Amino acid sequence: QQQVKQSPQSLIVQKGGIPIINCAYENTAFDYFPWYQQFPGKGPALLIAIRPDVSEKKEGRFTISFNKSAKQFSLHIMDSQPGDSATYFCAASISLAGGGNKLTFGTGTQLKVEL
Amino acid sequence: DAGITQSPRHKVTETGTPVTLRCHQTENHRYMYWYRQDPGHGLRLIHYSYGVKDTDKGEVSDGYSVSRSKTEDFLLTLESATSSQTSVYFCAIREQGANYGYTFGSGTRLTVV
Repeated sequence: QQQVKQSPQSLIVQKGGIPIINCAYENTAFDYFPWYQQFPGKGPALLIAIRPDVSEKKEGRFTISFNKSAKQFSLHIMDSQPGDSATYFCAASISLAGGGNKLTFGTGTQLKVEL
Repeated sequence: DAGITQSPRHKVTETGTPVTLRCHQTENHRYMYWYRQDPGHGLRLIHYSYGVKDTDKGEVSDGYSVSRSKTEDFLLTLESATSSQTSVYFCAIREQGANYGYTFGSGTRLTVV
């Protein structure tokens, strides 16, 4: 049972285009929603994150849009570049007793940006 | 950048043999995690630790055990490896004060034949 559903599985866009990756969740106990970027042979790296009380967050060319009522969030990459070609994972964080947390990840989207 | 090292980077082992993967961190972070990454499944949590000798199960813990006898080391053991455990294993630490700021290691590619 996938607690965080991510789509599409793969995506090809032209340089300068705006790829959009979507995620949906069910568990309302999730309290933080990060996105990770992964290049081949490397571990995932944090890209951007949002709290559920915020509808949009921008960092450089990356924007998260968050719809709390629909339990959906998405990543937009403005003016995409070939260097953005990577696998992107959405995630949802749940707090643990004692102050920690754990992340549940989506299944990933393989993005290719063509010249 | 948090210093986190996984070893080995690659391993091929036979079905039924025990295997231990090591995660080492240099910055005294309290929380450490083991994930496995498989195509179509993303990253799935195996076990996590919230301190020395304090560990708990994740969503795919069957067939795996962990130990944390020192703050800096978090070991993942496959007691009797099976082909279904062929995967890429990632260790992660949670940065202090960051609810979502996990730093991942470079991964261990494990093949069970």
